[in-house]
Amino acid sequence: SQTIHQWPATLVQPVGSPLSLECTVEGTSNPNLYWYRQAAGRGLQLLFYSVGIGQISSEVPQNLSASRPQDRQFILSSKKLLLSDSGFYLCAWTRTGGGELFFGEGSRLTVL
Amino acid sequence: DQQVKQNSPSLSVQEGRISILNCDYTNSMFDYFLWYKKYPAEGPTFLISISSIKDKNEDGRFTVFLNKSAKHLSLHIVPSQPGDSAVYFCAASLFSGGGADGLTFGKGTHLIIQP
Repeated sequence: SQTIHQWPATLVQPVGSPLSLECTVEGTSNPNLYWYRQAAGRGLQLLFYSVGIGQISSEVPQNLSASRPQDRQFILSSKKLLLSDSGFYLCAWTRTGGGELFFGEGSRLTVL
Repeated sequence: DQQVKQNSPSLSVQEGRISILNCDYTNSMFDYFLWYKKYPAEGPTFLISISSIKDKNEDGRFTVFLNKSAKHLSLHIVPSQPGDSAVYFCAASLFSGGGADGLTFGKGTHLIIQP
């Protein structure tokens, strides 16, 4: 069966510090991978998606970046965090042809 | 411009009664719709979906209705149970089955089931 894991689950970081959230998927090959953010009072906002290794598409301008160094690994990064980066970040995957989104457990980021 | 709207941030329903969560969309190109359920501090989980060629899909206590002319869909939960208390997200896709970038979410409705 397929599983998705992301970590860390909780992170408190000062403004200006770097960020790295990692996500891995097991039990499938060539998944489409996504990073979503759920900010207070807002829905799930798509940040990045990837259909293959090294292929990243960005949905919104921001100071975050994403990378996919391996087929089943997706990383969300920032060189300098802003207060507005606080939120609940969710990694997700679908099969190559699309379909149901499977979400990770989420990572709660608080920037102080 | 929000293409998927859930106008009720919260909904309180008595246990055993029917819960009806509503969702409106503006993009007539959407042709696949999904509902996700989310508990605090967890990722959303898929609940039920419907293709635009149908107007109803049922799975146990959950039924989704689609009214394409009104660009409206609703999720019915009957009977409501305490474990149904969660945030429910409506989502719409530009591609049947959901594509890589074609899934748009509403802001969510917090359903509270009262004993």
